Amino acid sequence: GAGVSQSPSNKVTEKGKDVELRCDPISGHTALYWYRQSLGQGLEFLIYFQGNSAPDKSGLPSDRFSAERTGGSVSTLTIQRTQQEDSAVYLCASSQGTSGHNEQFFGPGTRLTVL
Amino acid sequence: DAKTTQPTSMDCAEGRAANLPCNHSTISGNEYVYWYRQIHSQGPQYIIHGLKNNETNEMASLIITEDRKSSTLILPHATLRDTAVYYCIVRLPRNSYSGAGSYQLTFGKGTKLSVIP
Repeated sequence: GAGVSQSPSNKVTEKGKDVELRCDPISGHTALYWYRQSLGQGLEFLIYFQGNSAPDKSGLPSDRFSAERTGGSVSTLTIQRTQQEDSAVYLCASSQGTSGHNEQFFGPGTRLTVL
Repeated sequence: DAKTTQPTSMDCAEGRAANLPCNHSTISGNEYVYWYRQIHSQGPQYIIHGLKNNETNEMASLIITEDRKSSTLILPHATLRDTAVYYCIVRLPRNSYSGAGSYQLTFGKGTKLSVIP
């Protein structure tokens, strides 16, 4: 597609439920990043995928968070047993591999609200 | 990454040029200047980057002073849709990073640009 797409755009869930957030990166981009942004705050890095390499999970806040990227394209971020502090906008970005770390193209985000 | 300083907010009349300054006095010789913006309720958007020379693309122009201690992002004909927070960041060349998390983008406070009808 022309840009990074994410779904759903909004997700409201109850505390304790699991959620899955999807990201479709720009075609041909080998690098994919997940961030989250709380209201009025900066970007918080979560996880990074590059090609077939093992992902960098150093930003994941707890073991309730996991992500996978199938076939080097679509990625899914899963949050298990959601908590209210997980409420944020979850942003996905992609870039042209290691040559594009500083030019990341972001999706519109998924706004997650945990009640 | 070098520290940057931007004004907290700016207003610009619709149709006029918006000039957004950024100070980066501690920039090192091989660090680039990047600009992103974030429109309300949207993800950040890459705008432009440069090293020494002035750069122009379909979105904006970037003017970097000769000593590289400051730069100005220029939106030549601001529209209401340009209302956003604009972030100036300074980073090493795009393939210079290694190690966990070194490629993550970190934004400062940025400049909130309001385009006035």
